[in-house]
Amino acid sequence: ETGVTQSPTHLIKTRGQQVTLRCSSQSGHNTVSWYQQALGQGPQFIFQYYREEENGRGNFPPRFSGLQFPNYSSELNVNALELDDSALYLCASRGPNEKLFFGSGTQLSVL
Amino acid sequence: RKEVEQDPGPFNVPEGATVAFNCTYSNSASQSFFWYRQDCRKEPKLLMSVYSSGNEDGRFTAQLNRASQYISLLIRDSKLSDSATYLCVVNFLTGGGNKLTFGTGTQLKVEL
Repeated sequence: ETGVTQSPTHLIKTRGQQVTLRCSSQSGHNTVSWYQQALGQGPQFIFQYYREEENGRGNFPPRFSGLQFPNYSSELNVNALELDDSALYLCASRGPNEKLFFGSGTQLSVL
Repeated sequence: RKEVEQDPGPFNVPEGATVAFNCTYSNSASQSFFWYRQDCRKEPKLLMSVYSSGNEDGRFTAQLNRASQYISLLIRDSKLSDSATYLCVVNFLTGGGNKLTFGTGTQLKVEL
């Protein structure tokens, strides 16, 4: 519906592991951003990429990193997973007038 | 102080009621403003942008007061299907580019 797809939809990892989440944005949307949403909270901005370069970052440690590819896909990588990393991770592509189009998210559980 | 603050609710209202949500933001350099709706366990979806002159979309009216750094959303004749969490979103330009900041959301429950 929004043209933004994320995979996987659900994921279970253990503390200390690494994870890669994927997102495919709408064609022509050069900006992609990633958010972390804990239960009962609003989405928290992790970082943003524009034309394959990071151009904005929220208050997240360096073990959260990302990549954006020329085909409008992107990745969020998290190293050394902690229990508090359990959350819904949302990818959004940015359309005209700063409007965001979200994917349906990846629910990550860290045990 | 949080960059974007909202009353978390929940607001429990009867069908047909009028309900208003407020949101304040701390960064006076904020440039654009939005309301998003999020249903349980789903992704946020854009409800409406908020313009300085105020704007209306059917039963929904959004207002912006830059002097007070305050945004509001009014829902008239509320429907059961309006039950959701409403997220206030503020965009401002930082040294690293545009940054969209979400409030924690206000939960609305419309009841029979």
